[in-house]
Amino acid sequence: EAGVAQSPRYKIIEKRQSVAFWCNPISGHATLYWYQQILGQGPKLLIQFQNNGVVDDSQLPKDRFSAERLKGVDSTLKIQPAKLEDSAVYLCASSLASGASTEAFFGQGTRLTVV
Amino acid sequence: AQTVTQSQPEMSVQEAETVTLSCTYDTSESNYYLFWYKQPPSRQMILVIRQEAYKQQNATENRFSVNFQKAAKSFSLKISDSQLGDTAMYFCAFDNNAGNMLTFGGGTRLMVKP
Repeated sequence: EAGVAQSPRYKIIEKRQSVAFWCNPISGHATLYWYQQILGQGPKLLIQFQNNGVVDDSQLPKDRFSAERLKGVDSTLKIQPAKLEDSAVYLCASSLASGASTEAFFGQGTRLTVV
Repeated sequence: AQTVTQSQPEMSVQEAETVTLSCTYDTSESNYYLFWYKQPPSRQMILVIRQEAYKQQNATENRFSVNFQKAAKSFSLKISDSQLGDTAMYFCAFDNNAGNMLTFGGGTRLMVKP
């Protein structure tokens, strides 16, 4: 079974530029998550989707971050404008359902460097 | 809000020996899940083991086992017969059963030496 796909693997941008990350979850997985992992820290949840609806985005900096999951499959996470402190790995994960008894599978992430 | 603390930033172990990684957490919930994830240099988080709080029996997955102390809010991971492939970052994580919204600790870097 194919895993969670993310692209690009690496991205370097200047501050104040915009950037977008793409995630394709495992086929049939209704729940999709975006996490931000700053170097030396554990991942922090940014947003959770159930199909194409947002379940939780309480930790998403909405003044500059946006995410969508049109048609309930692929998802994009956008940052506009980027700040130096946005440098991190952005991890996408998916699961069959939203319960903790179902395993979440992670992609390999996108490493963003803002200079 | 839940917090997860891993007090060991780095650990090392000789191949074939046993190592224990520590994790403590803070919550007012009574029913929750705890996890250990492995993150190799490829960055992909891989689930190692999962423990349901209402189960008193400690979870075991082959060479990996946990010591779950609910009253002490402690959840340590024991790796037996360590292998070179176990070298990675290990993260302890908490889910309050609200839907896989994981709260992660800061991680422990484990190096297995030949």
